[in-house]
Amino acid sequence: SQQGEEDPQALSIQEGENATMNCSYKTSINNLQWYRQNSGRGLVHLILIRSNEREKHSGRLRVTLDTSKKSSSLLITASRAADTASYFCATDTEPNFGNEKLTFGTGTRLTIIP
Amino acid sequence: KAGVTQTPRYLIKTRGQQVTLSCSPISGHRSVSWYQQTPGQGLQFLFEYFSETQRNKGNFPGRFSGRQFSNSRSEMNVSTLELGDSALYLCASSTSWTVQETQYFGPGTRLLVL
Repeated sequence: SQQGEEDPQALSIQEGENATMNCSYKTSINNLQWYRQNSGRGLVHLILIRSNEREKHSGRLRVTLDTSKKSSSLLITASRAADTASYFCATDTEPNFGNEKLTFGTGTRLTIIP
Repeated sequence: KAGVTQTPRYLIKTRGQQVTLSCSPISGHRSVSWYQQTPGQGLQFLFEYFSETQRNKGNFPGRFSGRQFSNSRSEMNVSTLELGDSALYLCASSTSWTVQETQYFGPGTRLLVL
């Protein structure tokens, strides 16, 4: 079962524009991570935000976390063609120390139009 | 450091056969997790190994099994293959057994069951 649901499922924007995708989850978490996957390949870790953090930046990436709403957003600024990929949020379910596992959302397919 | 490697990259099998997939983690990483990715179910957690012990298991039938060797390399086995087992199988390694650490993914093994 999916813990996270990304929204939108697909997003197409012009190169240079900003892209925002959202993730909602169901249970309490210790942290939330965002991953990128280029077509049919492995996932690349982008950023991890802990439950006591509200915002985090990494280069052109900005992630926010609202634990009261059980939601997170990923903003990619000044998009490039190379950002075309699927983006997944992942949360640690069963957040009891020693029994965690990563549960991925359904993903947002981002297409950057040159 | 070399990244996570998975072999083989592509595999075609027929129903009823069994298959073994291999994953070599990043040097020094002792945790290996396996995931199944399909268009319908998305990314599903299979199991995680740490120091040769299975620490966590997802909701998959007993036909799916795995093991980890003393050098941290891991294998997963699927017996009596079914058409629905066609998927991209991803492994990820990390330094620690907790998912609060970054997971580094391999390129995946694409399995097609005919």
